[in-house]
Amino acid sequence: DAGVIQSPRHEVTEMGQEVTLRCKPISGHNSLFWYRQTMMRGLELLIYFNNNVPIDDSGMPEDRFSAKMPNASFSTLKIQPSEPRDSAVYFCASRSQYSVIHFGNGTRLTVT
Amino acid sequence: AQRVTQPEKLLSVFKGAPVELKCNYSYSGSPELFWYVQYSRQRLQLLLRHISRESIKGFTADLNKGETSFHLKKPFAQEEDSAMYYCALRVDSSYKLIFGSGTRLLVRP
Repeated sequence: DAGVIQSPRHEVTEMGQEVTLRCKPISGHNSLFWYRQTMMRGLELLIYFNNNVPIDDSGMPEDRFSAKMPNASFSTLKIQPSEPRDSAVYFCASRSQYSVIHFGNGTRLTVT
Repeated sequence: AQRVTQPEKLLSVFKGAPVELKCNYSYSGSPELFWYVQYSRQRLQLLLRHISRESIKGFTADLNKGETSFHLKKPFAQEEDSAMYYCALRVDSSYKLIFGSGTRLLVRP
């Protein structure tokens, strides 16, 4: 099992550009989570899906952020337009009903 | 409101010294607590969970409902224990984990 796969590993973009982060959860996992990690606030849950349906998006900072899960094996987190304060490491994670949460390697986003 | 508090951002100890990373939670129901570890530039990994009552890499954690705490302990720290440690709370019937802000453990030689 390759685990949760995220791409890209690193993303550097200019302010105002659109950024799309991608995630492939572990096969068979029916819950998917997007977390943001910063030095100041640690790990924050942005949104999570259960069976491809968004359940709780209360952590999404503002309308510039959106997330989709078109099928059980793929999710995207989009930031449009991006701002320097969005710079962080974004983690995707997944779990099944009977497992603990497994994290991906994260995407390090730098917005200049 | 559900909340996890890790009061120390950084904990620095010498090799061989005891370690205690503090975690307090706020939740009125029946909690499920976890400790996750993140080594330098790696993914978060589950270290242990309270329902397992196990010791992983010499670390233990006991859930104290009276004090609403789940402190992580190790009697003799090793340099390879240096990492970021996150305490997390899973609330009843929920799929999501609420994380604390993390404590960076630095074990000096």
